[in-house]
Amino acid sequence: GAVVSQHPSWVICKSGTSVKIECRSLDFQATTMFWYRQFPKQSLMLMATSNEGSKATYEQGVEKDKFLINHASLTLSTLTVTSAHPEDSSFYICSARDFRGSIAKNIQYFGAGTRLSVL
Amino acid sequence: KQEVTQIPAALSVPEGENLVLNCSFTDSAIYNLQWFRQDPGKGLTSLLLIQSSQREQTSGRLNASLDKSSGRSTLYIAASQPGDSATYLCAVRPAGGTSYGKLTFGQGTILTVHP
Repeated sequence: GAVVSQHPSWVICKSGTSVKIECRSLDFQATTMFWYRQFPKQSLMLMATSNEGSKATYEQGVEKDKFLINHASLTLSTLTVTSAHPEDSSFYICSARDFRGSIAKNIQYFGAGTRLSVL
Repeated sequence: KQEVTQIPAALSVPEGENLVLNCSFTDSAIYNLQWFRQDPGKGLTSLLLIQSSQREQTSGRLNASLDKSSGRSTLYIAASQPGDSATYLCAVRPAGGTSYGKLTFGQGTILTVHP
């Protein structure tokens, strides 16, 4: 099946630094990728929709200058957490939708997630 | 605004039991509903996807049903095994509009199957 690779799986950084997270679709092209955030014992909340070749669409309440998204190719989207602070510590997960085949096979595949800890 | 609720929040059963996880959603205008499994500290694995026009989907010991009009879905797990222990999430995808493609997740059900 389709695979979405997310890197790194875990990152610890100092407050004020920036962290980049990569999301790659390995065996299919993804014109659209999604970035989610998950706090402990809570569900996933959509942060933004990443569109190849255009600006990302952010959900209400998500700071676009804080969470920079770049979708430079059909297989890669990056999320950069700028000037990270302890409250940004969370589990970040990306997903990509495989549009190949019939609509019935239009499933979102998720990366393994990145655990960000800001000290 | 779509809201997805999962009941129960946690479930502990002995190995071999059949069990049902529930998911309800407030807006019936959905494109599809998907059940996922999440192991601790890991990403999501898609288990079953039900299109809005379908009533159920089956994969191995898993069976998911969908009643769109009442805003409900159930995930049935037969003959549960310790390896089934994980958090199970349901998510709905809206039918078109500006929210096209965005999934709304429930809070999840934490399942523990003990030997």
